Amino acid sequence: AQSVTQPDIHITVSEGASLELRCNYSYGATPYLFWYVQSPGQGLQLLLKYFSGDTLVQGIKGFEAEFKRSQSSFNLRKPSVHWSDAAEYFCAVGLAGTASKLTFGTGTRLQVTL
Amino acid sequence: DVKVTQSSRYLVKRTGEKVFLECVQDMDHENMFWYRQDPGLGLRLIYFSYDVKMKEKGDIPEGYSVSREKKERFSLILESASTNQTSMYLCASWTPGLEKLFFGSGTQLSVL
Repeated sequence: AQSVTQPDIHITVSEGASLELRCNYSYGATPYLFWYVQSPGQGLQLLLKYFSGDTLVQGIKGFEAEFKRSQSSFNLRKPSVHWSDAAEYFCAVGLAGTASKLTFGTGTRLQVTL
Repeated sequence: DVKVTQSSRYLVKRTGEKVFLECVQDMDHENMFWYRQDPGLGLRLIYFSYDVKMKEKGDIPEGYSVSREKKERFSLILESASTNQTSMYLCASWTPGLEKLFFGSGTQLSVL
């Protein structure tokens, strides 16, 4: 079975600083990879996804993620964080043929200091 | 955008009660899912359904069942609620073409 690891439970960055959230997956073939964000009191929103092709994917709100097969990673990045980015971020993996059935990581809570 | 509606935002029930959590989507999607979200554990899949009257167990189905009588509605049932089922419950619907899950706003269930 596939699994997803988000090693950082909580990250604090200053507004304007760069951000990288880590995500590693365990699966034999190339999975479908997703990043979701959950802002306080709000539902989960898709930031970006990777199915195939260019390994650097762009998402909403200025986020991007890079798929690295050799490292089994799909890290989320943003060059300059805004206070409104404070939220919980979830990495998720789906399998070919059952892409809709996602396995989620445990999440990383991002705090932004002014 | 797809609208996924969960009938209750907050729910308080007593141990042993039978609890129904309702979820409705407005886009005729086939694939629907129930997750529970707990601090430090992320989202865990309880049950899912790929069509009417079809259901499949997820990773943590114990103590739960589901019902899908109509395509737009997917219900999660706690047969006999227990305190360890206190959690945030999230319903989701998969949008083919867009290839993404749309989530409802969640139901925070407290079992006392």
